Amino acid sequence: AQTVTQSQPEMSVQEAETVTLSCTYDTSENNYYLFWYKQPPSRQMILVIRQEAYKQQNATENRFSVNFQKAAKSFSLKISDSQLGDTAMYFCAYNYGGSQGNLIFGKGTKLSVKP
Amino acid sequence: NAGVTQTPKFQVLKTGQSMTLQCAQDMNHEYMSWYRQDPGMGLRLIHYSVGAGITDQGEVPNGYNVSRSTTEDFPLRLLSAAPSQTSVYFCASMVDPGQGAREQYFGPGTRLTVT
Repeated sequence: AQTVTQSQPEMSVQEAETVTLSCTYDTSENNYYLFWYKQPPSRQMILVIRQEAYKQQNATENRFSVNFQKAAKSFSLKISDSQLGDTAMYFCAYNYGGSQGNLIFGKGTKLSVKP
Repeated sequence: NAGVTQTPKFQVLKTGQSMTLQCAQDMNHEYMSWYRQDPGMGLRLIHYSVGAGITDQGEVPNGYNVSRSTTEDFPLRLLSAAPSQTSVYFCASMVDPGQGAREQYFGPGTRLTVT
């Protein structure tokens, strides 16, 4: 069975600094999708960034980028120039890429950005 | 375009009561799903549907029923509420998993407390 592990329950970073959140996963599939979701105190789930496993190039969305290491089954999220509004829970999620869209989530990392 | 809507936002039930959590989407998405979020557990899949008339179980289906009579609606029924079902419930939708980037759109969530 596929699993997603986030080993950092909580992290903090100073405003304007860079922080990296870790995520590892276990799968025997070759074609799959990985996601980072942000959940602010409002509890709305917001997609931050996605990565298709068949693409070697790391995905980037403005201040957010990933380091996707397929052989190591690692998918870390880097947030540059951290802002107070980045304070939230961050969830790593996996979809195996078949006919279903089911997501498998990690347990989350609580990120606090300090002024 | 309202996206994914859920009602109610908050609900308190007594043990043994039944209720239905409503979910609707106006994006003509074929795939819909229900997740529950518990502290320290991330989100876990309860049930999902790949189209009207088709439903299937996820990771934690016990105590919940679903049906999908239309593309737009995907209600979640608690037949006899138990304290273990105290959680935050999210509904999500996605275009056909065979198409597009597999982005799931989440509703705002329902916080359910069973006493």
